[in-house]
Amino acid sequence: RKEVEQDPGPFNVPEGATVAFNCTYSNSASQSFFWYRQDCRKEPKLLMSVYSSGNEDGRFTAQLNRASQYISLLIRDSKLSDSATYLCVVNGGDSSNTGKLIFGQGTTLQVKP
Amino acid sequence: EAQVTQNPRYLITVTGKKLTVTCSQNMNHEYMSWYRQDPGLGLRQIYYSMNVEVTDKGDVPEGYKVSRKEKRNFPLILESPSPNQTSLYFCASSSTDYNEQFFGPGTRLTVL
Repeated sequence: RKEVEQDPGPFNVPEGATVAFNCTYSNSASQSFFWYRQDCRKEPKLLMSVYSSGNEDGRFTAQLNRASQYISLLIRDSKLSDSATYLCVVNGGDSSNTGKLIFGQGTTLQVKP
Repeated sequence: EAQVTQNPRYLITVTGKKLTVTCSQNMNHEYMSWYRQDPGLGLRQIYYSMNVEVTDKGDVPEGYKVSRKEKRNFPLILESPSPNQTSLYFCASSSTDYNEQFFGPGTRLTVL
């Protein structure tokens, strides 16, 4: 089983749609969780950190479910400019590898007019 | 301007010819890291450094070396490159491992 798993997609949605991505992780000791966005082989950029209580930033909502070991990203009112690959990132977890960061392979979103 | 720079951006080389990819950040970050990105495999961590003179292996360290002699620089060294190291490489830095990582623009390496 991969340490961090995402459905690679692609997710093809019309403008204005709501779309949700999930990401599962295997290490229950992981403490830090993030969503990054990557445009077509450019460098990834932080979209949002994911907090235990869940957090929202405009049209984007991130949630963490520790019991089931998954994090989610919800995008409301999709825009053409949301088309990108979304990367789930989890840290190594225990004290021996806290600096280790594990990326999911990414979920590709294509928003159509 | 706060940034992470990598050089070179593109490199074509031959098997066995030692090369170094430089990475430099101007944000006084303690944490730096190298990744490679391959189709279908996503980003995989090669090495990371929590501070000067402190480096640790990531998921795919074989065939790579790093050093962290000063805070701002974290070069990636391929002593004897092989074709399976053909990839897109990213360097990143952050204030800690649990904060936002800032990525460099990437280095596309081809080993013939």
